[in-house]
Formats: sequence, structure tokens, C-alpha cells
Amino acid sequence: AQSVTQPDIHITVSEGASLELRCNYSYGATPYLFWYVQSPGQGLQLLLKYFSGDTLVQGIKGFEAEFKRSQSSFNLRKPSVHWSDAAEYFCAGAILTGANNLFFGTGTRLTVIP
Amino acid sequence: GAVVSQHPSWVICKSGTSVKIECRSLDFQATTMFWYRQFPKQSLMLMATSNEGSKATYEQGVEKDKFLINHASLTLSTLTVTSAHPEDSSFYICSAPGTSGGYEQYFGPGTRLTVT
Repeated sequence: AQSVTQPDIHITVSEGASLELRCNYSYGATPYLFWYVQSPGQGLQLLLKYFSGDTLVQGIKGFEAEFKRSQSSFNLRKPSVHWSDAAEYFCAGAILTGANNLFFGTGTRLTVIP
Repeated sequence: GAVVSQHPSWVICKSGTSVKIECRSLDFQATTMFWYRQFPKQSLMLMATSNEGSKATYEQGVEKDKFLINHASLTLSTLTVTSAHPEDSSFYICSAPGTSGGYEQYFGPGTRLTVT
């Protein structure tokens, strides 16, 4: 079955520290992968996406993610976290059936401490 | 661009009543919209795919008679929770695919439903 897994439910980092959020996928073929961020009172916002080509993808807000086929991973990274990055982060994969369904991981809540 | 709105942002209703949630694509047309349900501290679960001008497609386990979906125009989809019960209390989120062919979806801010 096609799925994405986020093994970390909650991560706490200090402001200014580096961040890595893990995402593993299980798909029959090369998946289309996304990272979304959900802040309270706001809709999910797309941070970045991977379809093909360069395996290091740059996104908004200083985030990047690296697709590693050998590890079935698509981890999200940021070199220096800001307090405003505290939010819920979701990894998602796409089923390209024409309806563009997304499968979401369970999310990782990021807490940033001063 | 690619803004999706939802109304209301939160609603409280009594058990047994029905509640309608609207999802609008503000600056683009969407022949397809998706409805998700999110439980506290859990992921988004796809409930149904809303198709303009035709019947919605429901995911397995979702009661189509309880969660009525109508995609009346290219910019509006509605979800009606009929005969609501406390277990229907949840966060409901809609989304619409982008038009650039990039397969991303644009999400509404969600509607918090509380059934008392």
C-alpha cells in the first residue's frame, strides 16, 4: 500500500539550531512528495515538492528537503530555526490518478524554545 | 493566487441538527475539491472527492448519507453534516488542486465543528 510515515510525533529545538524532520515513503514507483506546514488558524501551506530531477529541493521559508531513493526518505531540513517555525509539519505523497489525491503522514509537531 | 476559503471557521451545533460548511476557490476554478477530516493531533484523512456537476466520490468507511457533498459550481463545494452527533466533532478541511499541473493542493483554513 502506498503510504508516508513520519516517525517523530513531536520535536523540540532551540531557536537558531538546525532542524531535520523525517519522512519515509512506501510506493510502488517514484512518488511525488510534498511537505506542508499547518499553523493554528491557518490552512496547510506548501513548503516544497519533489517530482523528479535534482534530489535536493529548495522551498519557501528557508526549508529544503532531500529525496533519497535508497532510504525511501524525504527529510525536511532547515539550517537555523526561527520561533515562527513552530507548527505542525506534514509529509504527503501523491497518487496521480487524475484526481491528485494526497496521502498524509501523521505529522510532526515542532516546538521552538528560545 | 490559489486561495481557498472556508466558512464558517468554527461552528457549534446541537446533536441531531445539520451543519453546512462551504469551501470556495477564490481566484481559480476547481472542477475537483477534496474534503478531509482531522482529529486532534492526527493526520488528515480524505473523506471524499467533490466533482463539479457530478456525484462525489467517498472514501471507504465514510457515510455518504451523513456527509452530503455538493459541488454546485467551479468555485464552490459544500459539505453538509446531517443529523450531527458528538462523534462528528472534528476539524474539517477542504482543498483544491492547483491549475499549474504541479499536483499540489491548496487548502482552506479549516472548520472546527463541535456537536453538543
